[in-house]
Amino acid sequence: EVQLVESGGGLVQPGGSLRLSCAASGFTFTNYWMHWVRQAPGKGPEWVSRINPEGNYTNYVGSVKGRFFISRDNAKNVLFLQMHDLTADDTAVFYCARTLTPGEKTVPDSWGQGTLVTVSS
Amino acid sequence: EIVLTQSPGTLSLSPGERATLSCRASQSVTNYLAWYQQKPGQPPRLLIHDTSNRAAGVPARFSASVSGTDFTLTVSSLEPDDSAVYYCLQRSAWPWTFGQGTKVEIK
Repeated sequence: EVQLVESGGGLVQPGGSLRLSCAASGFTFTNYWMHWVRQAPGKGPEWVSRINPEGNYTNYVGSVKGRFFISRDNAKNVLFLQMHDLTADDTAVFYCARTLTPGEKTVPDSWGQGTLVTVSS
Repeated sequence: EIVLTQSPGTLSLSPGERATLSCRASQSVTNYLAWYQQKPGQPPRLLIHDTSNRAAGVPARFSASVSGTDFTLTVSSLEPDDSAVYYCLQRSAWPWTFGQGTKVEIK
């Protein structure tokens, strides 16, 4: 069974940093593109970032470019999202997600339960 | 950035009725459109990928189609468990974008 378990969320002050982790199990992690998607309270989901299976190709949505950095540890089956210069607009539940098909940039079919990031003073 | 516009905002129907949800893209997304269902406190659940392909375990009452840049999700006979917000998603161009959602209420 595919399992994705996010951690690292919490309350952070504006301008602060936070590192999210996503522990993956139940599938061959090294074969899949992985994603971070966030959802602000009462809003629809927003794609944040994605990373290829090898970990050497990444994309970011414009609003987080230069502030957020996605990475992965394929030896430990963990996905990361390092976040800097956080603002109130970054307050959201952050989901880790795995694509439907190994090796392809398809849509995710497996999601974690999410971790809440709250940016507030 | 490709904008997806969903309509209606809310759909209120009785069990057994047919639900038709629309998603219009601001430009061509070829067939790279998916549909997700989301219930409160849960992550999105993939229903349909690449316009009309049902994901594993999705009931046959969910179907989808396209006409140009107008995509449609149809639920042939609503059940109480179908109460949720439905989002369309395009993966034709980065950043991938979601529509704003259609809330389906079961009377």
